[in-house]
Amino acid sequence: DIQMTQSPSTLSASVGDRVTITCRASQSIDIWVAWYQQKPGKAPKVLIYKASSLNSGVSSNFSGSGSGTDFSLTISSLQPDDFATYYCQEYATFSRSFGQGTKVQIK
Amino acid sequence: DVKLVESGGKSAEPGGSLRLACEASGFTFSSYAMNWVRQAPGKGLEWVSYISSGSSIIYYADSVKGRFTVSRDNGKNLLFLQMNGLRAEDTATYFCTTDRGVAGRGYFDDWGQGSLVSVSS
Repeated sequence: DIQMTQSPSTLSASVGDRVTITCRASQSIDIWVAWYQQKPGKAPKVLIYKASSLNSGVSSNFSGSGSGTDFSLTISSLQPDDFATYYCQEYATFSRSFGQGTKVQIK
Repeated sequence: DVKLVESGGKSAEPGGSLRLACEASGFTFSSYAMNWVRQAPGKGLEWVSYISSGSSIIYYADSVKGRFTVSRDNGKNLLFLQMNGLRAEDTATYFCTTDRGVAGRGYFDDWGQGSLVSVSS
């Protein structure tokens, strides 16, 4: 199975900060990566698919990049509603592994 | 709007069985592959099972293979997860999701609110 190593596990930031979360795959997965946002007690919501495609209705404040083994999710200017946990997920294989998650908290 | 509503989650003893259901509405259920994804309390996300739109392709995570069975009823817009041989490590919130991909290689687009399964003696 492909392992997705996400970092950092926790990130403290202020409103307005630019924030980047990274994810590294244990083998090349082309561009088959999605990013999710999850708030406490809620289901995850997909933000980015195919590494850099913004899902419908998602703020352009979010962007994704990368290919092969290294990927990143960037929030260009952190908003109060963006404090949440973020997960990457590969879908190059049917086993669909997730990263461990990054909790973005208020500094 | 797409709506997915899970049900059937409750407490069970180790070795016991539970059947989860997911009722879909707001889209053509029979045209979409579906998944179950779970999340243990305070932990990350784990994909559990995939079923293609016509049930011809089914996949399971190694952690549940041989114990869980996914199925669907396209006439009633229902997705099921039969869970046998439950273990403490199966304790989690189980989400049903739509699949955006090909032949089991997709991301999870729409999600239900989840159904909590708790396994303990």
